[in-house]
Amino acid sequence: EAQVTQNPRYLITVTGKKLTVTCSQNMNHEYMSWYRQDPGLGLRQIYYSMNVEVTDKGDVPEGYKVSRKEKRNFPLILESPSPNQTSLYFCASSLRPRNQPQHFGDGTRLSIL
Amino acid sequence: AQSVTQLDSHVSVSEGTPVLLRCNYSSSYSPSLFWYVQHPNKGLQLLLKYTSAATLVKGINGFEAEFKKSETSFHLTKPSAHMSDAAEYFCVVRATSGGYNKLIFGAGTRLAVHP
Repeated sequence: EAQVTQNPRYLITVTGKKLTVTCSQNMNHEYMSWYRQDPGLGLRQIYYSMNVEVTDKGDVPEGYKVSRKEKRNFPLILESPSPNQTSLYFCASSLRPRNQPQHFGDGTRLSIL
Repeated sequence: AQSVTQLDSHVSVSEGTPVLLRCNYSSSYSPSLFWYVQHPNKGLQLLLKYTSAATLVKGINGFEAEFKKSETSFHLTKPSAHMSDAAEYFCVVRATSGGYNKLIFGAGTRLAVHP
C-alpha cells in the first residue's frame, strides 16, 4: 500500500531534549516536505527536499533541521525543542517537485513542556 | 504572492442538506487550487484540484468546486451532507515561485454535520 509513515504519532517531551520525527514513503517520490499545523493558521511549510541531498527552507524553518540521505526518508530534527514548537506535524511527498497530489502522513502531535 | 482566505472557520449543517464552504484566493497568475480534507487523527486527503481546465471541478465523495476568476473564488459544495463529511477542510493554492511543490493553506473550515 502506498503510504507516508511518520513516527512517533504522539510525543510529550521537555524543553531542550533533542528529538527526531521520522518520515518514510514507499512510492519512490522525489519531493518531500514537512509542515506544521497550528489552530487558525492552517499548515505552514517548514522544510522541503527536491531529491536526495537537496533540501531547502520553507516558511517557518527556525529551530528545525532536516536531512535527505535516502530517497525514502526525510527526518525532522529538533535539536533543542522549545514550547513554541508544540504543534501537529505532517510529512508529505509527491512524485516530482511540481506534481500533485501530495500524499500526507497521519501526523505527529508534539508537546514540548 | 499567492494566498487563500477561507471565509468561515466553522460551518454546521444538517444531514441531507447542502454544504457550502467558501474560499477566496489571491494570485497574480492563473492559480492551481485545491481542496483537502482532514478527518480527526488523520492526514490530509485531496478532494479535488483546479489547474486551468474546466472551471467546475468534480472531486471525490460527491464534492465539487467552481473556479470563478471574476470573483476570485473557489467555493466547495456538496448537494447533500453525510455524517461522514464531518471534518476540517482546507482550501489550498500552489505557490508559483521557486519551481517547487509548495502548498499555501487557508486557515481551515471545520464542518459539523448534525442528524
